Amino acid sequence: AQTVTQSQPEMSVQEAETVTLSCTYDTSENNYYLFWYKQPPSRQMILVIRQEAYKQQNATENRFSVNFQKAAKSFSLKISDSQLGDTAMYFCAFMISGAGSYQLTFGKGTKLSVIP
Amino acid sequence: EAGVTQFPSHSVIEKGQTVTLRCDPISGHDNLYWYRRVMGKEIKFLLHFVKESKQDESGMPNNRFLAERTGGTYSTLKVQPAELEDSGVYFCASSQGQGLSTDTQYFGPGTRLTVL
Repeated sequence: AQTVTQSQPEMSVQEAETVTLSCTYDTSENNYYLFWYKQPPSRQMILVIRQEAYKQQNATENRFSVNFQKAAKSFSLKISDSQLGDTAMYFCAFMISGAGSYQLTFGKGTKLSVIP
Repeated sequence: EAGVTQFPSHSVIEKGQTVTLRCDPISGHDNLYWYRRVMGKEIKFLLHFVKESKQDESGMPNNRFLAERTGGTYSTLKVQPAELEDSGVYFCASSQGQGLSTDTQYFGPGTRLTVL
């Protein structure tokens, strides 16, 4: 079974600063995908960024980037130039590739507060 | 284009009663997923529909939960009879269904179920 661990229940960052959210996972699979989802207060969860395990290059999406360390089973999210709208719960998630069912396995989440 | 919608947004029922949650996926999305987040724990997968068929129901906790997707459009999740431990937020997600695990899952706002 796959597990995803987010060791930081809550974090805060000053506006315009950089913050890194940590995520580790455990799996015996070799082909999989990793995701970061964001759920702003009272709003729907949306996909922030996705990483294919077979790709060595770290994914980036504007101010969001990941540090994917496959051997260490680590998948951290870096948010640069933090904005007030980044305040949200952030969930790290895992999906096995090619399993037929595309179920996501989530961590418990990290609550990020961006302080003006 | 409308996103994934869920109804009701909040439901409070007594232990032993029945509740039915509804999810309307994004139009044209063949894949529909149900997840649940119990307070303080991870978001857990419940099941996955491809059109009207159950592709994976390995996450369904017990036979008090019944999910349907007649006609391959909206889905319902019925809990009968509800127990205290069923309290939580029930999320629905949908994806296009190209047969790719890279399909993004779009989440609804969730239904908060409280069993008293």
